[in-house]
Amino acid sequence: SQQGEEDPQALSIQEGENATMNCSYKTSINNLQWYRQNSGRGLVHLILIRSNEREKHSGRLRVTLDTSKKSSSLLITASRAADTASYFCATEVAGTASKLTFGTGTRLQVTL
Amino acid sequence: DTAVSQTPKYLVTQMGNDKSIKCEQNLGHDTMYWYKQDSKKFLKIMFSYNNKELIINETVPNRFSPKSPDKAHLNLHINSLELGDSAVYFCASSQAQDQPQHFGDGTRLSIL
Repeated sequence: SQQGEEDPQALSIQEGENATMNCSYKTSINNLQWYRQNSGRGLVHLILIRSNEREKHSGRLRVTLDTSKKSSSLLITASRAADTASYFCATEVAGTASKLTFGTGTRLQVTL
Repeated sequence: DTAVSQTPKYLVTQMGNDKSIKCEQNLGHDTMYWYKQDSKKFLKIMFSYNNKELIINETVPNRFSPKSPDKAHLNLHINSLELGDSAVYFCASSQAQDQPQHFGDGTRLSIL
């Protein structure tokens, strides 16, 4: 069964607005990672947050991790049309070094 | 100067044929991976090699055989192709286990 589930499945916003995507998972993890996938391309790594961390920032991206609720969120501030893509969370389950289990993805559409 | 490159980008072939997909990374990474992404965008790990040694071998049919001639290359050979093998196959690499992964742009395999 899938480890991660993203919510919502699809999100449509206007340029300049913030976008929030959520990820829930089932088992203990070493770390949680967020990736972006543009149509027809490979995945691009955005942020890695370890199980002992609660929040990380990278540019316009902010990731939170709540291990008690087994959930994470990705916030993209001041979105741009170029942010249009699918976003995936991936968990490295505790005890399975290097094995990532991906969620179902959120399709983000940013319109002008 | 592509970091992770896969060839071919598209592969159209008939059921029952044998085909190979090649992957090369020029990042000096120790660990390489093969993933399968289905039509619903669900991404699943198939294999992982660390320094030419197999470390992850998910429940994948024996028709799929990875080969790592050196640290920079991880090829995927598929025997007796079936309709269900139609998918996009991604190669990825990472500096070490527990590190972000870098993905190629994928090989879209279509079985007629």
